[in-house]
Amino acid sequence: QKEVEQDPGPLSVPEGAIVSLNCTYSNSAFQYFMWYRQYSRKGPELLMYTYSSGNKEDGRFTAQVDKSSKYISLFIRDSQPSDSATYLCAMSVNAGGTSYGKLTFGQGTILTVHP
Amino acid sequence: DSGVTQTPKHLITATGQRVTLRCSPRSGDLSVYWYQQSLDQGLQFLIHYYNGEERAKGNILERFSAQQFPDLHSELNLSSLELGDSALYFCASSVVQGGYNEQFFGPGTRLTVL
Repeated sequence: QKEVEQDPGPLSVPEGAIVSLNCTYSNSAFQYFMWYRQYSRKGPELLMYTYSSGNKEDGRFTAQVDKSSKYISLFIRDSQPSDSATYLCAMSVNAGGTSYGKLTFGQGTILTVHP
Repeated sequence: DSGVTQTPKHLITATGQRVTLRCSPRSGDLSVYWYQQSLDQGLQFLIHYYNGEERAKGNILERFSAQQFPDLHSELNLSSLELGDSALYFCASSVVQGGYNEQFFGPGTRLTVL
């Protein structure tokens, strides 16, 4: 079983829809939770990060972390065709030991927003 | 543009060969990370260097090695290449070692082994 599980989709929604993307994880040591967006043939770019549990909002994007359930979500409101990309969740543990800095990624969800 | 550069963009080679991928981090970033992205395994951490020293290793094959030079650029060497090594290889850099540190990814090198 992978440390981080993410439904690869693909997910296709109409413009203006609310999109919900999710990941589950098994390593309780994860403290930092991130969402990256990757356009075709490009490197991933950071969308949002959250430390420990809670919600974080940035414009049309909201990230939620529920450490008790080992579950994280990204919501995209009023989705646009320009949001079409692969969305990757990523996690890391605190500093220290041999794991610091390492990001563990989910498989990525391919999202298409059609006009 | 993340400020991280990678060369070459594409590399096509044959099984058994050796290649070197190069990464230049963002100005001021001391940490360099290498990741491999394939269709079946997704994006996987390979190795982390901080200011010239190896700090963490992931599931990096023994045929693969890396180093970070005094000018902070890094090279990933892949030898005895196999078909299964075909993948996108990303380099990322960050300024803070460990904990949360935003990793900025380069555009990647697409390796095709024939």
